Amino acid sequence: DTGVSQDPRHKITKRGQNVTFRCDPISEHNRLYWYRQTLGQGPEFLTYFQNEAQLEKSRLLSDRFSAERPKGSFSTLEIQRTEQGDSAMYLCASNLRGAGDTQYFGPGTRLTVL
Amino acid sequence: QKEVEQDPGPLSVPEGAIVSLNCTYSNSAFQYFMWYRQYSRKGPELLMYTYSSGNKEDGRFTAQVDKSSKYISLFIRDSQPSDSATYLCAMSARPPNNAGNMLTFGGGTRLMVKP
Repeated sequence: DTGVSQDPRHKITKRGQNVTFRCDPISEHNRLYWYRQTLGQGPEFLTYFQNEAQLEKSRLLSDRFSAERPKGSFSTLEIQRTEQGDSAMYLCASNLRGAGDTQYFGPGTRLTVL
Repeated sequence: QKEVEQDPGPLSVPEGAIVSLNCTYSNSAFQYFMWYRQYSRKGPELLMYTYSSGNKEDGRFTAQVDKSSKYISLFIRDSQPSDSATYLCAMSARPPNNAGNMLTFGGGTRLMVKP
C-alpha cells in the first residue's frame, strides 16, 4: 500500500496519560499535516511540516500537543496529560510541494480518553 | 460563525437520483476548493479539486464554484448505494501544494443512497 499510513488505528487511554501517534506519508511527499476531527465535524488543522521543519504550529490546541518529524519522513504527534476532550480522530495528510496535488489523508487514529 | 458552513444532513435519496451538496463560506480569500468523501471511521478521500469560479466534471461528479456568492456545490449523477458517505468541502487561500497551506473544512453532509 503506497498511501498515507497511521499507527495505531485505535488508542484507548486513561485521563492523564501521554499518547503518541505515528504517521508515514506517501514516500515522495515532503509535506506532512496533522488534523483533528471530532464527531460530526470536519477536520481541524493542527500543524504541518515541510521536510523536517515544522512551519506552522500556532494551531496546536494547547502546549500539551507537540509534533516532530526528525528525519523528514515519518512524523509523531504526542499528547501529554490527556483529557477527555482530546477524544477524537487524529488525521495525517501529505503532499508534494510543486506537484499540483492537494492533500492525501491517512485512515486516522481514533483516540478515546476514559 | 464558522468560516465554512455545510448542512449536516442526513440527506436520503433513492438510487439513481441526482444529489446536490453545498457549502457556503465567508472568507473571500479562498480560491481553491475541494470535495472529499469520507466513509465511516475512515480518512477523507479526495474527489474533486477546482480553482476559482467555474465548473469541473469527473465521471458522475460535477463541482461548481460561485465565488461571487461564496457558494460551492457538488453534484452526483446516477447516485449509487456505494456513494453513501459523508461529503466534506474544503478550501484554502493558496494552492495546497504551495507554501503548505492548511485546508479549512466544512462540517460535512451525511448522504444515504437507498437501493
